[in-house]
Amino acid sequence: NAGVTQTPKFRVLKTGQSMTLLCAQDMNHEYMYWYRQDPGMGLRLIHYSVGEGTTAKGEVPDGYNVSRLKKQNFLLGLESAAPSQTSVYFCASSYSNVQETQYFGPGTRLLVL
Amino acid sequence: AQTVTQSQPEMSVQEAETVTLSCTYDTSENNYYLFWYKQPPSRQMILVIRQEAYKQQNATENRFSVNFQKAAKSFSLKISDSQLGDTAMYFCALSYNQGGKLIFGQGTELSVKP
Repeated sequence: NAGVTQTPKFRVLKTGQSMTLLCAQDMNHEYMYWYRQDPGMGLRLIHYSVGEGTTAKGEVPDGYNVSRLKKQNFLLGLESAAPSQTSVYFCASSYSNVQETQYFGPGTRLLVL
Repeated sequence: AQTVTQSQPEMSVQEAETVTLSCTYDTSENNYYLFWYKQPPSRQMILVIRQEAYKQQNATENRFSVNFQKAAKSFSLKISDSQLGDTAMYFCALSYNQGGKLIFGQGTELSVKP
């Protein structure tokens, strides 16, 4: 099993450009999450999904959109990138709710110039 | 609102010694779980240990154990017989209902010195 994978690993964007980050999991997990990690701030939740076809806002959703068309995939979109979105993005998944361990992908480093 | 606070930005310990990382949290939920995650230089987030809030017994995993003080809302991590491979950023996290979202602390950077 590959676990949780993220594509791409690193990307440089210019302000105003758009891009999509892809997260895939092969563990048949229901729940999936997108976090961002900034220096000195830990990880903060952007959006999450509790099942195929569902999405919900997290702590810092502005400037991002997500889609969960297939159970195994969770896409994070930036429609018009801004320098404030320079960060490391992590995807995670879990079987279900509060008691389950979340498994993380390796992260995507995004630099917006 | 749920919050997690780690007041030690950096710590260091000699190899083979014991170190304790502190974490405090605040929540009004009754059903919640607490986690410690390790992030080595590779950036991969790795689960170290988890604690169910309704259990009084402290969780242990080999050299890692927690001191869970529910009334004080404290959840510290003790690493015994520290090894060079324990060098990493350690995050304390809280999970509660409404999607099982994780609330992370700011992290403690631990250096194990030979």
